[in-house]
Amino acid sequence: GQNIDQPTEMTATEGAIVQINCTYQTSGFNGLFWYQQHAGEAPTFLSYNVLDGLEEKGRFSSFLSRSKGYSYLLLKELQMKDSASYLCAVRGNYGQNFVFGPGTRLSVLP
Amino acid sequence: GAVVSQHPSWVICKSGTSVKIECRSLDFQATTMFWYRQFPKQSLMLMATSNEGSKATYEQGVEKDKFLINHASLTLSTLTVTSAHPEDSSFYICSARGAGGFSYEQYFGPGTRLTVT
Repeated sequence: GQNIDQPTEMTATEGAIVQINCTYQTSGFNGLFWYQQHAGEAPTFLSYNVLDGLEEKGRFSSFLSRSKGYSYLLLKELQMKDSASYLCAVRGNYGQNFVFGPGTRLSVLP
Repeated sequence: GAVVSQHPSWVICKSGTSVKIECRSLDFQATTMFWYRQFPKQSLMLMATSNEGSKATYEQGVEKDKFLINHASLTLSTLTVTSAHPEDSSFYICSARGAGGFSYEQYFGPGTRLTVT
């Protein structure tokens, strides 16, 4: 079976740093993805990890530990426009389909 | 590059009618397209995977006779919701993966909001 878990909601202040965690248990692993989704819109790609470690891309960084089945997305210098849902998705070995986590709704307050 | 479009962006239909949603990859060839459904405040749920020229693979619990998927070309996949009911009202999103090489990313369309009255 496949199970991906994320916190349901988080709140942070403009200019702060927030870490969104994702834990997963999947029958295979071939990459972990983070997407941002604003209400009523399609997800947009943020990051991809397939090896352990930290991937940095501007204000966004993503970390992966395959042995722990754990990833996090780190958002720095938060802006109001970062208020959105953040989806963790894992691609397993079978057919390379994505399994999405429940998503974390982040609210950035002034 | 890597743009995926969906049409229509929103549709309202009466219960019992059928609705067709198109998903197109505009600047690349998509050997594989995915159809997702998303209910309010919930995550994306994969409905089916379609490969060009072959039958779609449906996820457990998705009725293949109700959600007809056709992937007739490398740039077009369609999802037809047959005999729609109010419980089918949802946000339907397609994504596409490119052909050739190791393509690790899915490119999402803008989504189609279906309301069945």
